[in-house]
Amino acid sequence: EAGVTQFPSHSVIEKGQTVTLRCDPISGHDNLYWYRRVMGKEIKFLLHFVKESKQDESGMPNNRFLAERTGGTYSTLKVQPAELEDSGVYFCASSPGQAGLDTEAFFGQGTRLTVV
Amino acid sequence: AQSVTQLGSHVSVSEGALVLLRCNYSSSVPPYLFWYVQYPNQGLQLLLKYTSAATLVKGINGFEAEFKKSETSFHLTKPSAHMSDAAEYFCAVSHPGGYNKLIFGAGTRLAVHP
Repeated sequence: EAGVTQFPSHSVIEKGQTVTLRCDPISGHDNLYWYRRVMGKEIKFLLHFVKESKQDESGMPNNRFLAERTGGTYSTLKVQPAELEDSGVYFCASSPGQAGLDTEAFFGQGTRLTVV
Repeated sequence: AQSVTQLGSHVSVSEGALVLLRCNYSSSVPPYLFWYVQYPNQGLQLLLKYTSAATLVKGINGFEAEFKKSETSFHLTKPSAHMSDAAEYFCAVSHPGGYNKLIFGAGTRLAVHP
């Protein structure tokens, strides 16, 4: 079974440009999460989808970030326009059902975004 | 609010030595606690988790962690380090019933030398 897939694996863009990151969760997982790690710091929660609905977007840094999950399958995270401080590794994770004793969040390899 | 502190951003041990990675948490309610590992060029992988059952939790690859409520700690240990344990380790906390919204520590990079 395929795991969580993210692409691109790396992206280098200029300040002011737009970048779209994609995440394909494990098939059948209703929950999809986005996290970000700025260099050397902790991994921070950005938002959580349950199917196609945003359950929690409290971690989104500002309105330059737009996440979608049309149809409740894959998700995209668009940054427009990108700023230097947006550089970091963006992780996607998915999990089945509601968190509890028997669930686990499975993470993708991450997308390393560099804004120059 | 929940938070996680990992003491030591870098830890270096000899092959065969004890591995001890420290994690302290802050939470207003009894939390779920996790350790994740990230090997080079890979995603985060769950090592083990505490979800209010046994306080000593055994995970994969010989790792274990003990939940100590009085010390608000969840330190990760392995009796004998192997070269393949070299990776970055993350402690995380979540609110029970709060889906898998994880609050992570800053990570500890473990180096294992011969």
